[in-house]
Amino acid sequence: EAGVVQSPRYKIIEKKQPVAFWCNPISGHNTLYWYLQNLGQGPELLIRYENEEAVDDSQLPKDRFSAERLKGVDSTLKIQPAELGDSAVYLCASSLDAGGRTNNEQFFGPGTRLTVL
Amino acid sequence: KNQVEQSPQSLIILEGKNCTLQCNYTVSPFSNLRWYKQDTGRGPVSLTIMTFSENTKSNGRYTATLDADTKQSSLHITASQLSDSASYICVVSGRGSTLGRLYFGRGTQLTVWP
Repeated sequence: EAGVVQSPRYKIIEKKQPVAFWCNPISGHNTLYWYLQNLGQGPELLIRYENEEAVDDSQLPKDRFSAERLKGVDSTLKIQPAELGDSAVYLCASSLDAGGRTNNEQFFGPGTRLTVL
Repeated sequence: KNQVEQSPQSLIILEGKNCTLQCNYTVSPFSNLRWYKQDTGRGPVSLTIMTFSENTKSNGRYTATLDADTKQSSLHITASQLSDSASYICVVSGRGSTLGRLYFGRGTQLTVWP
C-alpha cells in the first residue's frame, strides 16, 4: 500500500515568488493535515481537513497561505508571496478519521523542503 | 496551556548502549501519547501508542512508559544500533475541546556512534 505522497521533495525559490505543494493521502483516509516543521523543532499544525472541509485552520497565516482539498482526496498548500522565514519542511499527514477516534494514527509523508532565497 | 516538553534536546551514545528519553506534558484532557521516530529527510513514523490506562508498551527494542498521574512518559531504547540515529518526537492527543489536535514536542536528536 502506498503511503502519503508529497511533491516536490525540494523547492528553492526567491522571496516574493509563489510556491505550491501537493499531497496525496493514503487511500480511504478522510482526514488530512498540513504541518510546518522548522529545523530542530516538532511539526506545527497549519490546517486539518475532514474530507473537503477545513475544520481547523486557526494556525494558518491566511494573509499569504492558502490550502484546498476540493474533492476530499488530494490537497494543495500554497504560499504567495513567500518570505525568507517560510523556509522549512512542509509535512502532509493523513488518518482514517479525526483524532477523536481512539488510537487514530497519523501517517506522514516525506515532506517538502522549501528554501526561500 | 497545552504543552509537550522533551529532554534531553540531544543525546550521543555508543552502539550497543541503552538510553532513555523523557517527555512531560500538560495536555488536558488527555487521550493518548505516541512516540514517533523521524529519520533525517523523512516524515515521522509511529513507534508506540499508549492510552490513559496503559503504563508500558514495547515495540522490539523500544519500550515506552506512561505515568498519567504525573503526566510523564519515557522511551527506553535497548542495545542501540546505528539505525536508531534519528529524532524521537513525543506527541500527545487531546480529547474534548482539543479533539483531533496533536501536540508535538520538539524532539530528542539521538546519535548512535559506532
